[in-house]
Amino acid sequence: RKEVEQDPGPFNVPEGATVAFNCTYSNSASQSFFWYRQDCRKEPKLLMSVYSSGNEDGRFTAQLNRASQYISLLIRDSKLSDSATYLCVVNAMDSSYKLIFGSGTRLLVRP
Amino acid sequence: NAGVTQTPKFQVLKTGQSMTLQCAQDMNHNSMYWYRQDPGMGLRLIYYSASEGTTDKGEVPNGYNVSRLNKREFSLRLESAAPSQTSVYFCASSGGQNEQYFGPGTRLTVT
Repeated sequence: RKEVEQDPGPFNVPEGATVAFNCTYSNSASQSFFWYRQDCRKEPKLLMSVYSSGNEDGRFTAQLNRASQYISLLIRDSKLSDSATYLCVVNAMDSSYKLIFGSGTRLLVRP
Repeated sequence: NAGVTQTPKFQVLKTGQSMTLQCAQDMNHNSMYWYRQDPGMGLRLIYYSASEGTTDKGEVPNGYNVSRLNKREFSLRLESAAPSQTSVYFCASSGGQNEQYFGPGTRLTVT
């Protein structure tokens, strides 16, 4: 089983739609959780950290479910500029310095 | 504030040639990382340096060596390039909260 698993997509949605991605992780002891965004042929960029109580940043909401070991990202009112690949990230089992990146979920927002 | 910088941006090597990829960060971060990203594979950790003076192997270290030259700089060396090392290489750095910040990447082709 992969340490971090994501649906590769693509999710193809119209502008203004609400879209949600889930990600599952295998290490029940993980403490650090993030969502990164990666545009085509660019470096990954931190979108948001994910806290136990859930957190929101504008149109983006992240949730953590420790019992089921999954993380979610909700994007409201999708914009064309949200088209990208979204990477789910969890700290590694053997070192808090290391992060494990999921392969990403691709989002396409159409006019 | 430049963040994480990498040189070169592009490189073409012949099989058996050697080269060093350079990375520098100006955020006073303790930890630095080298990843490779191949289509459909996600980011894979090659080596990391938790702090100045230490380096450790990641998931795919074979064929690579690293040097943590000082707190700012972390270089990756390919001693004898192989076509399997054709990839995009990202350097990242991390401060105290585990999130990592990435450089723009080096696109390497080995023929």
